[in-house]
Amino acid sequence: ETGVTQTPRHLVMGMTNKKSLKCEQHLGHNAMYWYKQSAKKPLELMFVYSLEERVENNSVPSRFSPECPNSSHLFLHLHTLQPEDSALYLCASRGRHRYKVNTEAFFGQGTRLTVV
Amino acid sequence: GQNIDQPTEMTATEGAIVQINCTYQTSGFNGLFWYQQHAGEAPTFLSYNVLDGLEEKGRFSSFLSRSKGYSYLLLKELQMKDSASYLCAVRGLDNQGGKLIFGQGTELSVKP
Repeated sequence: ETGVTQTPRHLVMGMTNKKSLKCEQHLGHNAMYWYKQSAKKPLELMFVYSLEERVENNSVPSRFSPECPNSSHLFLHLHTLQPEDSALYLCASRGRHRYKVNTEAFFGQGTRLTVV
Repeated sequence: GQNIDQPTEMTATEGAIVQINCTYQTSGFNGLFWYQQHAGEAPTFLSYNVLDGLEEKGRFSSFLSRSKGYSYLLLKELQMKDSASYLCAVRGLDNQGGKLIFGQGTELSVKP
């Protein structure tokens, strides 16, 4: 248990569906990240939120839409996905303390997404 | 560009020592992290290096040479439960949100 919770754990959706992934942390962290993990490929950074503002969109297609309503919650809204978007989607959070900036990131268990 | 390389797979024997290497070329360096990921589970933090040298934590040690863009993770007294994927990651600058850029991971198999 890392303190970062992702729901759902598994999701199967059709290409015309709209769904959302949720990530929640109560660790007092103020930076949150979405990563995509495909088989045999490195973890790919998708979005970075720092202090609830998106600071990076790593060339992610618009069918993925993140939302960070507050520092504890992060969503990834999915719309008209493709089969190649099937992967494990991991959320991570990190604390940025005044005197200790390089704290490690804590990961959630991930959502295993299958697009059919 | 950003490039982080590590071997895809390694095999070692229970009780032995294994060294997993990682080389990196990144724009902006603010520390190097090693994570362990068991199949179907979240990556968990193992170690962090920002200065050159060796950091030891129990059976695990991590080394960094910033001038060479090189790190390794050393696992001693291997146990079967150490079979997992080991991820090398470099942290970017804080004005980039402190993002972690990952290598592809090294799948370690520990045999009896």
